[in-house]
Amino acid sequence: GNSVTQMEGPVTLSEEAFLTINCTYTATGYPSLFWYVQYPGEGLQLLLKATKADDKGSNKGFEATYRKETTSFHLEKGSVQVSDSAVYFCALSDAGGTSYGKLTFGQGTILTVHP
Amino acid sequence: DGGITQSPKYLFRKEGQNVTLSCEQNLNHDAMYWYRQDPGQGLRLIYYSQIVNDFQKGDIAEGYSVSREKKESFPLTVTSAQKNPTAFYLCASRTATGSGNTIYFGEGSWLTVV
Repeated sequence: GNSVTQMEGPVTLSEEAFLTINCTYTATGYPSLFWYVQYPGEGLQLLLKATKADDKGSNKGFEATYRKETTSFHLEKGSVQVSDSAVYFCALSDAGGTSYGKLTFGQGTILTVHP
Repeated sequence: DGGITQSPKYLFRKEGQNVTLSCEQNLNHDAMYWYRQDPGQGLRLIYYSQIVNDFQKGDIAEGYSVSREKKESFPLTVTSAQKNPTAFYLCASRTATGSGNTIYFGEGSWLTVV
């Protein structure tokens, strides 16, 4: 079955530091890949997505590239801010077969950014 | 504004009680989902529905039930058979089953057993 593996957290950075959160996946066919962000006590918000190999998703300074050869979708940001502190989830969606396009999530990575 | 509304935000359940969490969307989405989130963990799929009057079990359906009588509504009942129901519950929806279509989430409901 499908699976998503994220780097374990928590990740603690100083403001303006470079961020990388690793994500690798296992899936049949050609899934779409997503990064969601969750702020404390809230639901999940889409951060960015990529629907085919070599696509780059980007939003709010974050970016991730769909790498089929390494089955990866690592999240990066060049300069983090305190307001980026949240939990980040990598996810995949496989529309094939009877999956109904449901998302499979990684375990989440807690990011804390200090001033 | 369009979106997904979950209620209540906080709910307390006594042992042996059934409780129902509401999920309503006005996005005209076809598919709806219920996920469970435990502290420090990812999301696990409970049930999902592609169309009205049809729904499928997810990975952890035992102790839960759903209905899909209207396109915009997908309530989740946590039954007394669910032995560890304390968790954060998230409802979601999307417009079609294409893998690239974004799934949108509600704000979630906290359920605590007392």
